[in-house]
Amino acid sequence: SAVISQKPSRDICQRGTSLTIQCQVDSQVTMMFWYRQQPGQSLTLIATANQGSEATYESGFVIDKFPISRPNLTFSTLTVSNMSPEDSSIYLCSVPGQGAYEQCFGPGTRLTVT
Amino acid sequence: QKEVEQDPGPLSVPEGAIVSLNCTYSNSAFQYFMWYRQYSRKGPELLMYTYSSGNKEDGRFTAQVDKSSKYISLFIRDSQPSDSATYLCATWRSYSSASKIIFGSGTRLSIRP
Repeated sequence: SAVISQKPSRDICQRGTSLTIQCQVDSQVTMMFWYRQQPGQSLTLIATANQGSEATYESGFVIDKFPISRPNLTFSTLTVSNMSPEDSSIYLCSVPGQGAYEQCFGPGTRLTVT
Repeated sequence: QKEVEQDPGPLSVPEGAIVSLNCTYSNSAFQYFMWYRQYSRKGPELLMYTYSSGNKEDGRFTAQVDKSSKYISLFIRDSQPSDSATYLCATWRSYSSASKIIFGSGTRLSIRP
């Protein structure tokens, strides 16, 4: 399965600032996904990022708040903009596994907003 | 109502005990049922999956799906401290031009030596 790395692994940010999270995959993939994992909440899909096209956002998530770049088949970034304490969460990128039911996840970025 | 409901725990059992983790789901259209395991400060990884109803066994782990009651279970036999992790149930369905995995909120499990 794919090996996925994320940077940074964790960060503490001030309210009103923005943070860009990087995701690197060791193989070329068409689709990459960004998830949010809040304490006690379900792992929630933010958006799907296809190379060469705009990201597709899930209900409740908008591009102005979570802009995504996908410059090539091995890399993507997620920016959390104008942060508030409610954005404190773990953000994970993933790529499809061997079956449609499988996601291979990166280690996550733990974000705390003060 | 959430599409997948899971008791968050935490659940603490002694080493060697049988562990039962459970979820319920709401949509009868779900086809695949998965269990992911997430260690602290790591991303989730697929542990097992089941298609439709029935049981599937893999070593000390057994996944069970009862579609009539919309109930998903994971059993761990002879539990080990290395099994301590958060376990997320998940379902998958294909709809329109997209497919989407729906995750439960996870149950935190601790195995006491």
